[in-house]
Amino acid sequence: EPEVTQTPSHQVTQMGQEVILRCVPISNHLYFYWYRQILGQKVEFLVSFYNNEISEKSEIFDDQFSVERPDGSNFTLKIRSTKLEDSAMYFCASIRTGTGELFFGEGSRLTVL
Amino acid sequence: AQRVTQPEKLLSVFKGAPVELKCNYSYSGSPELFWYVQYSRQRLQLLLRHISRESIKGFTADLNKGETSFHLKKPFAQEEDSAMYYCALRSSNTGKLIFGQGTTLQVKP
Repeated sequence: EPEVTQTPSHQVTQMGQEVILRCVPISNHLYFYWYRQILGQKVEFLVSFYNNEISEKSEIFDDQFSVERPDGSNFTLKIRSTKLEDSAMYFCASIRTGTGELFFGEGSRLTVL
Repeated sequence: AQRVTQPEKLLSVFKGAPVELKCNYSYSGSPELFWYVQYSRQRLQLLLRHISRESIKGFTADLNKGETSFHLKKPFAQEEDSAMYYCALRSSNTGKLIFGQGTTLQVKP
């Protein structure tokens, strides 16, 4: 069964460093998402991406964040200059259509020191 | 404002007992609601969605528009039901989900 895959599973970085989290969505899916979950808190929407552009983003998704689909398979989340409060689990998700089931990756845990 | 509320952070029951995980929502349009489950060390996965009106692993959930609720129920809990349960609302045609805070269900032997 096809799955959404994410790398790395865990990344530790120093405050101020750039981080790129990678995702490979399910191949025939058209909508892609990033969510994050700070420890002990709820899963929060960051951004949705469709047709090679951002379709919706939350207030969390400020200028420090960017997303890209560089090669038609990978979907990346970049944090330009990490802050301590960026420490969280980041989930990638994809969906075939806007009304279908959302499939999640296993998450990338980011620890900012 | 679009919001999903799960009032219980932890629900602990004994095996065989009935379970009800509460979910209330706030949404101005016609909502589409889901329950997602996350078992230990596994990814978030869809448990059920209100439009399917189906029972998965013995769980059911009924959308009550009058009470703006979508509570998840199971008549007899099993130990393997122990997991984190998230209620979610689809709020736009981009497929985005808004999640509640999650409820940890602990089923004791």
